[in-house]
Amino acid sequence: KNQVEQSPQSLIILEGKNCTLQCNYTVSPFSNLRWYKQDTGRGPVSLTIMTFSENTKSNGRYTATLDADTKQSSLHITASQLSDSASYICVVSAGTGTASKLTFGTGTRLQVTL
Amino acid sequence: KAGVTQTPRYLIKTRGQQVTLSCSPISGHRSVSWYQQTPGQGLQFLFEYFSETQRNKGNFPGRFSGRQFSNSRSEMNVSTLELGDSALYLCASRRGLAGNSYNEQFFGPGTRLTVL
Repeated sequence: KNQVEQSPQSLIILEGKNCTLQCNYTVSPFSNLRWYKQDTGRGPVSLTIMTFSENTKSNGRYTATLDADTKQSSLHITASQLSDSASYICVVSAGTGTASKLTFGTGTRLQVTL
Repeated sequence: KAGVTQTPRYLIKTRGQQVTLSCSPISGHRSVSWYQQTPGQGLQFLFEYFSETQRNKGNFPGRFSGRQFSNSRSEMNVSTLELGDSALYLCASRRGLAGNSYNEQFFGPGTRLTVL
């Protein structure tokens, strides 16, 4: 069964600090992995996407890494800001073509405080 | 380019009633998916429509149904509402069904349904 597990479930950090969120997956056959940011009461917005051959992808202060061998991904946030407070969801796509399936993690809730 | 729009944004219903939610995808996108999001379960896939046909379905009871129109707009219906149906319902659109990196899924703002 395809699964995506994220850790920690929640995290509180001070503004300006860095943090790293984890995503472990057992999805086959792997196609790509996305990180989404979801503000409270809003729909998720894509931050990064990585395919099998990519191991790092950046989007401003967000840097995602992928280790396809260990089936792990991380999202590193540098110099956090209050606006980074949100849920971060890891989504793995399995298969290609019309048979592709998405598996969602339950997310990490990040709170950035003063 | 306008994003995915969902109406209504908020809805309050009572147990036993039925509800219809609407989703307008990004122009040119032919696939529309629906998700239920609750604090405990995260995002749960309901179903996906492409060219007016349901292509994928999650593990939800038959009370949850949907349809897609020729202009790709989609509606989701929940009949005989239960308290546990209270959730944020998200719609997402993408160009096609392929799971490659070029076929990104874009989410709407969601409809917050409260069942009393």
